[in-house]
Amino acid sequence: GNSVTQMEGPVTLSEEAFLTINCTYTATGYPSLFWYVQYPGEGLQLLLKATKADDKGSNKGFEATYRKETTSFHLEKGSVQVSDSAVYFCALRDVTSGTYKYIFGTGTRLKVLA
Amino acid sequence: DTEVTQTPKHLVMGMTNKKSLKCEQHMGHRAMYWYKQKAKKPPELMFVYSYEKLSINESVPSRFSPECPNSSLLNLHLHALQPEDSALYLCASSPTLITDTQYFGPGTRLTVL
Repeated sequence: GNSVTQMEGPVTLSEEAFLTINCTYTATGYPSLFWYVQYPGEGLQLLLKATKADDKGSNKGFEATYRKETTSFHLEKGSVQVSDSAVYFCALRDVTSGTYKYIFGTGTRLKVLA
Repeated sequence: DTEVTQTPKHLVMGMTNKKSLKCEQHMGHRAMYWYKQKAKKPPELMFVYSYEKLSINESVPSRFSPECPNSSLLNLHLHALQPEDSALYLCASSPTLITDTQYFGPGTRLTVL
């Protein structure tokens, strides 16, 4: 079956530090991959996505590359800000396998200190 | 208008109460979703509507009853809930069922006493 594995949090960084949040997936078909962000007390916001191998999604300084060979979609940002403190969810959606569900990872909490 | 709205923002109810959650979008999306999110967990899919018809029910207890009266509106009717049903209830929409990206509302924080 399909699954997503994210690195355990929380991740605590100083402002302007480099961020990597690891995400690997297992899928039987050809999934699209997503990163969603959830700020405290809010719903999920789409951060970026990639729909096929070697695609790079990017938004607000965040990037992730769809790596089929390593089944990974790691999230990176070169210089984090306090305002990036949130929970980040990696997710896949594999319509080709006949399901329309998102499969979410467990989420990684990021705390950025000034 | 590119947002999904949910009301109320917070709801406290007793186990014998009947209440409803409301979700609205005016993006012309024809697929709408209900998710349940417990603290420090990812969202779990509950129901999916496509063109106002229920497409997916993820074996949700009958004390949760969804309704899609029109293409812009999605309700979740609650009756005889249990304290373990306390959670953040998220609504989402997408242009169609096969469209990748879902747009989430801010959620309703439900507490069952």
